[in-house]
Amino acid sequence: DAGVTQSPTHLIKTRGQQVTLRCSPKSGHDTVSWYQQALGQGPQFIFQYYEEEERQRGNFPDRFSGHQFPNYSSELNVNALLLGDSALYLCASLKHQANEKLFFGSGTQLSVL
Amino acid sequence: AQSVSQHNHHVILSEAASLELGCNYSYGGTVNLFWYVQYPGQHLQLLLKYFSGDPLVKGIKGFEAEFIKSKFSFNLRKPSVQWSDTAEYFCAVNVHGRDDKIIFGKGTRLHILP
Repeated sequence: DAGVTQSPTHLIKTRGQQVTLRCSPKSGHDTVSWYQQALGQGPQFIFQYYEEEERQRGNFPDRFSGHQFPNYSSELNVNALLLGDSALYLCASLKHQANEKLFFGSGTQLSVL
Repeated sequence: AQSVSQHNHHVILSEAASLELGCNYSYGGTVNLFWYVQYPGQHLQLLLKYFSGDPLVKGIKGFEAEFIKSKFSFNLRKPSVQWSDTAEYFCAVNVHGRDDKIIFGKGTRLHILP
């Protein structure tokens, strides 16, 4: 039973570029959340997708956008990259309203030069 | 808005020492509380969680945490640490009954000396 899978594992971009990160939730899960973990910090909530809609959003600018597909997988897009966007981006999934724990992927390490 | 404060950023202990990592949260309503662990090179894993009931929660690998509502605290404890407990530990909170965003603390990096 695959857990949460993310791709790619590492990515290097330059300022101003755009990036797309991908996530497949754990089997049976329908809700996907994205978190940003900067060096030395705890994960910060970016947004959550359920039923292909953004349901909750953290304190992140509009440069951060996402999408959820009918198969529950999700993408995180970041436009006009800044040096400060360098971080580990974590995807987490759960089954909506099932009162279960959140399962995390291993993350995508994004470096912006 | 909810927030989580972890008192210790970096803790160094010898094997067999006792561990207590502090965590306080701010939120006026009912909350769910979590401790997550991130071993070097691995993904975040849930150590234990409190939703309701007995405020003393037992988790994996001998860890436990006690929810003290009057102090808004959820401290993590282990009576005798092992070298393999070297990791980063995150306290987290979300609003009870909701499965949306979880607010994490900044983490405590635990280093166990063999």
